[in-house]
Amino acid sequence: DIQMTQSPSSLSASVGDRVTITCRASQSISKYLNWYQHKSGKAPKLLIYVVSSLQSGVPPRFSGSGSGTEFTLTISSLQTEDLATYYCQQSDSMPPTFGGGTKVEIK
Amino acid sequence: EVQLVESGGGLVQPGGSLRLSCAASGFTFSDHYMDWVRQAPGKGLEWVGRARNRANSYTTEYAASVKGRFSISRDDSKNSLSLLMNSLKTEDTAVYYCARAGGWFDPWGQGTLVTVSS
Repeated sequence: DIQMTQSPSSLSASVGDRVTITCRASQSISKYLNWYQHKSGKAPKLLIYVVSSLQSGVPPRFSGSGSGTEFTLTISSLQTEDLATYYCQQSDSMPPTFGGGTKVEIK
Repeated sequence: EVQLVESGGGLVQPGGSLRLSCAASGFTFSDHYMDWVRQAPGKGLEWVGRARNRANSYTTEYAASVKGRFSISRDDSKNSLSLLMNSLKTEDTAVYYCARAGGWFDPWGQGTLVTVSS
């Protein structure tokens, strides 16, 4: 199975800060990397698919980049509503696997 | 509106069985793969299994942690997905989500809590 490693596991930032989350795959996954936002008690929500495509309705402050084994999710200007845990997920090969999550807190 | 609604969660003893259901609406259910994903308390997301569509012969796949104990089925006439869980273990305690699958998971249901405890 492909292992996905996210860093950091948690972060605390102020409103308006630029936030970057990194996801590394144990082998090349080409462009098959997705990002999800999971707020406590809610359904996970797709933010970005195939590295950098923004899901409909997701604010443009969210962006993704990378290829091969290293990927990033960037929030250009953190907002209070971005309080959540963020997960990367590879869909290059079965089984689909998720990173361990990055919990984003607001200072 | 595309929507998934899970039901059937609850408290079950170790070794017991439980069936979860997922009702889909707002899209052509029969066209899509459907997956189950779970989140144990304090843990991250873990893929459980997949039911492919008719075009792919309704084949299923499972995570190693549940293979041989869990079974996924679908009823395209009722836009419904099921997860039959047998021989449940305490480590199966989690919120179980159904999700429309393919290259990514979207949308997800709100989840149903399964607690395995004596």
